[in-house]
Amino acid sequence: GENVEQHPSTLSVQEGDSAVIKCTYSDSASNYFPWYKQELGKRPQLIIDIRSNVGEKKDQRIAVTLNKTAKHFSLHITETQPEDSAVYFCAARPTGRRALTFGSGTRLQVQP
Amino acid sequence: KAGVTQTPRYLIKTRGQQVTLSCSPISGHRSVSWYQQTPGQGLQFLFEYFSETQRNKGNFPGRFSGRQFSNSRSEMNVSTLELGDSALYLCASSFGFGPTDTQYFGPGTRLTVL
Repeated sequence: GENVEQHPSTLSVQEGDSAVIKCTYSDSASNYFPWYKQELGKRPQLIIDIRSNVGEKKDQRIAVTLNKTAKHFSLHITETQPEDSAVYFCAARPTGRRALTFGSGTRLQVQP
Repeated sequence: KAGVTQTPRYLIKTRGQQVTLSCSPISGHRSVSWYQQTPGQGLQFLFEYFSETQRNKGNFPGRFSGRQFSNSRSEMNVSTLELGDSALYLCASSFGFGPTDTQYFGPGTRLTVL
């Protein structure tokens, strides 16, 4: 089955800096890669996703890049703000399967 | 449009008991997936339902079961509770059964087994 590895497990940045979180996946058939943000005590919220026919996608300060050859994808947050502090999860889903396989999460702390 | 709702939000049970959790998907969504979230194991897939049929199942023992009703609402049941079942149980709904359909999560049910 699919295996997703996520790094780093914790990340501390100064407000205004950029943050990058990286994930690798094992199943070459995976074609959908969402990113979720989970604040303490709250539900995971989808922040951005990318399909395998796209190499990069941006939404304001957030961007995701996908390298299918290397089987990795990354989340980039620019101009970080304290409200970006949360746990971020990457996930992958192979074609023909519905279940998302999640990475272990990255705790991002943005220092004001 | 109302989001995914889950009831109850909190539950305390003792070992050996059973529990039923409920999930109401976003209106119009027909697919419901269930996940278990723990600090040690992260988010793990339990099962998925579409049109009242279980389409996919994760690697959990048979004590974990679920079902989906004709209105797309779903329930999951855990029998003979163990201490290790303490977790946040999340359900997620999506419109259809496509491979790239977005899943939206509910707030979860926090189950504590004493």
